[in-house]
Amino acid sequence: AQSVTQLDSHVSVSEGTPVLLRCNYSSSYSPSLFWYVQHPNKGLQLLLKYTSAATLVKGINGFEAEFKKSETSFHLTKPSAHMSDAAEYFCVVSDRGVNQGGKLIFGQGTELSVKP
Amino acid sequence: DTGVSQDPRHKITKRGQNVTFRCDPISEHNRLYWYRQTLGQGPEFLTYFQNEAQLEKSRLLSDRFSAERPKGSFSTLEIQRTEQGDSAMYLCASSLEGGFGETQYFGPGTRLLVL
Repeated sequence: AQSVTQLDSHVSVSEGTPVLLRCNYSSSYSPSLFWYVQHPNKGLQLLLKYTSAATLVKGINGFEAEFKKSETSFHLTKPSAHMSDAAEYFCVVSDRGVNQGGKLIFGQGTELSVKP
Repeated sequence: DTGVSQDPRHKITKRGQNVTFRCDPISEHNRLYWYRQTLGQGPEFLTYFQNEAQLEKSRLLSDRFSAERPKGSFSTLEIQRTEQGDSAMYLCASSLEGGFGETQYFGPGTRLLVL
């Protein structure tokens, strides 16, 4: 069965410093992996997705994530945090193989706070 | 706006009442998903349609819950005899089968409060 574990429930950084949100996954086959962001009172927005084309995936707003099969990790990073990055972030795995759709399995979420 | 829309955005009801939510997917998307999100948790899958066929239901979906997608367009989710434990955000997502790195696009959600 597919699952994801987000290693931190809350991360706090200062504006302008790097962001690291950690995610480990478990999958029976080559997974589709996603990061979604949820701002307060707004819908889930896709940040980026891994679909086996490249292990380093670039997303919107300067975020990127690296797929590491040997470590079963898909950590999300950003070189310099902005106040507008404060939100809840979800690491997500599809329950089917890469590019085959299927229901999404969400992690518990990491709340990112950005201090001025 | 051509995104996923949901109606209503908020619903307050009394325990025991029936409620119905509507989801309008992105027009060319043939797959539609319902998820439920409780406070402080990630969304959990409820059910999934491909066109008008309901192909999968979670064990979270008790017999008080029913979902339809007539004609493969919009979908409705009905909860009968609501309970306080049904209070949650109900999210709808749609996707296009076969799209590269098939991506689900989410609507804004319907927040349900059962008193």
